[in-house]
Amino acid sequence: EAQVTQNPRYLITVTGKKLTVTCSQNMNHEYMSWYRQDPGLGLRQIYYSMNVEVTDKGDVPEGYKVSRKEKRNFPLILESPSPNQTSLYFCASSLLWGQANYGYTFGSGTRLTVV
Amino acid sequence: DQQVKQNSPSLSVQEGRISILNCDYTNSMFDYFLWYKKYPAEGPTFLISISSIKDKNEDGRFTVFLNKSAKHLSLHIVPSQPGDSAVYFCAASANNAGNMLTFGGGTRLMVKP
Repeated sequence: EAQVTQNPRYLITVTGKKLTVTCSQNMNHEYMSWYRQDPGLGLRQIYYSMNVEVTDKGDVPEGYKVSRKEKRNFPLILESPSPNQTSLYFCASSLLWGQANYGYTFGSGTRLTVV
Repeated sequence: DQQVKQNSPSLSVQEGRISILNCDYTNSMFDYFLWYKKYPAEGPTFLISISSIKDKNEDGRFTVFLNKSAKHLSLHIVPSQPGDSAVYFCAASANNAGNMLTFGGGTRLMVKP
C-alpha cells in the first residue's frame, strides 16, 4: 500500500530534551515536506526537501532541523523542544518537486506535547 | 499575514442539503487551488482541485468554483452526507514558487442526519 508513515503517533516530552519524529514513504517520491497544524492557522510548512541531500526552510523553520540522506526518509529533529512547539505534525510527499497539482500524500500525523 | 483564509471555522448542515465552504486568497500569483479533507486522527487527503484557467471543476458530489477577480473559491457538496463531516482545508500554489502549497486555517463541516 502506498503510504507515508510517521512515528510516533503521540509523544509527550519535556522542554530541552532532543527528539526525532520519523517519516518514511514507499512511493519513490522526490518531494517531502513537514507541516505543523495549529488551531486557526491551518497547515504551515516547516521544512521541505526536493530530493536527496536537498532541503530548504519553509514558513516556520525556527527550532527544527531535517535531513534527507535517502529518498524514502525525512526525519524532523527538535534539538531543544519548547512548549510553543506543542502541535500536530504532518509529513507529506509528492512525486516531483513543482507538482502540487498531483496533490500531496500525507502521513497520519504526530501529536507532540512539550511540557 | 495569511495568504489563504477560510473565515468560517465551522459549518453545520442537514443531511441532503448543500454545503458551501469558502476560501479567500490574497496572492495574485496563485494559479492552482486544491481542497483537502481531514478526518480526526488521520492525515489530510486530496479531494478536488482547480487550475486558474478554469472557473469550475466538478467531481461527483463535489464542485469547486473559482472567482479570480474576487480572489475567492468555494467548495460545494451536494447532497451532503454524514460521512462528509470533517475538516476541509483550502490550499493554493504558485508556479513561480515551485508549486508549494499554502493552506488556509480549515473549516470543520458537520453534517447532521
